[in-house]
Amino acid sequence: GQNIDQPTEMTATEGAIVQINCTYQTSGFNGLFWYQQHAGEAPTFLSYNVLDGLEEKGRFSSFLSRSKGYSYLLLKELQMKDSASYLCVPTDSWGKLQFGAGTQVVVTP
Amino acid sequence: NAGVTQTPKFQVLKTGQSMTLQCAQDMNHEYMSWYRQDPGMGLRLIHYSVGAGITDQGEVPNGYNVSRSTTEDFPLRLLSAAPSQTSVYFCASSSIGTANNSPLHFGNGTRLTVT
Repeated sequence: GQNIDQPTEMTATEGAIVQINCTYQTSGFNGLFWYQQHAGEAPTFLSYNVLDGLEEKGRFSSFLSRSKGYSYLLLKELQMKDSASYLCVPTDSWGKLQFGAGTQVVVTP
Repeated sequence: NAGVTQTPKFQVLKTGQSMTLQCAQDMNHEYMSWYRQDPGMGLRLIHYSVGAGITDQGEVPNGYNVSRSTTEDFPLRLLSAAPSQTSVYFCASSSIGTANNSPLHFGNGTRLTVT
């Protein structure tokens, strides 16, 4: 089975840093995607982690610990356009993705 | 490239009506899938296809049919619409399936209301 736990909502100020934590329980775990979804729009791909450690992509970084079933997405230098839902999506070795409800990030001026 | 194109963007149906949601991709992706997204819930997989002529059921297939006659197209058919099928539907594709870290590319969604 699969289970995902991430906060429902986080609020942060423009220019700040926010860390979205995600714990998961996935049978046959393979890797983990992070997607961003703005209200009324489709999800868009942010990052993919398969090995332990940190992957950095500009203002966004994603971390994975396979042994702990834990990942986080770090958003630096927050901008108003970063207000969106962030989806932690573990996958198993058969390619099955599990989408949780996501974390709504609200960026305030 | 247009990516993944879904039509229509909005649709209102009466209970019992049937319709087809269209999905086309121009990236030569083998894997295509349909999800529905309901408020406060994660995306749920309806049906998927790993190549032309091959389809399989996802998590919530009841009330929906699919076919994959070409690599490019993956239509979703609602056989007899019910209010429980009111949702936002997303079509998504990837090059060789998500087991190999190939991310999904999503269409812009179809917002369906069944009255």
